[in-house]
Amino acid sequence: EVQLLESGGALVQPGGSLRLSCAASGFAFSTNAMSWVRQAPGKGLEWVSTISTYTHYAVSVKGRFTISKDNSKSTLHLQMNSLTAEDTAIYYCARGGGNFPWYFDNWGQGTLVTVSS
Amino acid sequence: SYDLTQPPSVSVSPGQTASITCSGDKLGNKYAHWYQQKPGQSPVLVIYQDTKRPSGIPERFSGSNSGNTATLTISGTQAMDEADYYCQAWDTNTACVFGGGTKLTVL
Repeated sequence: EVQLLESGGALVQPGGSLRLSCAASGFAFSTNAMSWVRQAPGKGLEWVSTISTYTHYAVSVKGRFTISKDNSKSTLHLQMNSLTAEDTAIYYCARGGGNFPWYFDNWGQGTLVTVSS
Repeated sequence: SYDLTQPPSVSVSPGQTASITCSGDKLGNKYAHWYQQKPGQSPVLVIYQDTKRPSGIPERFSGSNSGNTATLTISGTQAMDEADYYCQAWDTNTACVFGGGTKLTVL
């Protein structure tokens, strides 16, 4: 059974940094593309970043966020810097299905990031 | 940037067919995927690559994609299908896009 468990969400001040993690199990983590998708309170889904052979970022986070994979620990990370109130959201880890262009066939339960003073 | 447009809401009577559209420039030339999200829960993939159903998704869910519009169809809609539905695609600049979401009400 595929399991994705996010952690690291917290209340952080504007301009601050945070590192999210997603522990994966139940599949060959090293061979799958992995993504972060976020959802602001009461809003729709917004793609943030994907890592496969290459990394891809939404325009809204490029230069501030860094996605990485630790295949030895089956863990996905998202380093978030220069956070603003607009980054407040539930952040979901999602597994990429198939090959590019990926769909997201398994999702974690999400971790809440709140950016506020 | 590439945009996907969905109607904010769709209503359907139990047992009837619900159709949720997703529009984007030449969307038919891309793969469209669909997700269901119930309140307080994570999204669930219900249709991928335009027409395919993941294991465990009921046969009443189907999809199509042609021209500028992808459509998610739910036949014999049940009360449990009430949820938000999102379409998703990748544009040629390797950026992923979600539609704004459609709230399906079964009444």
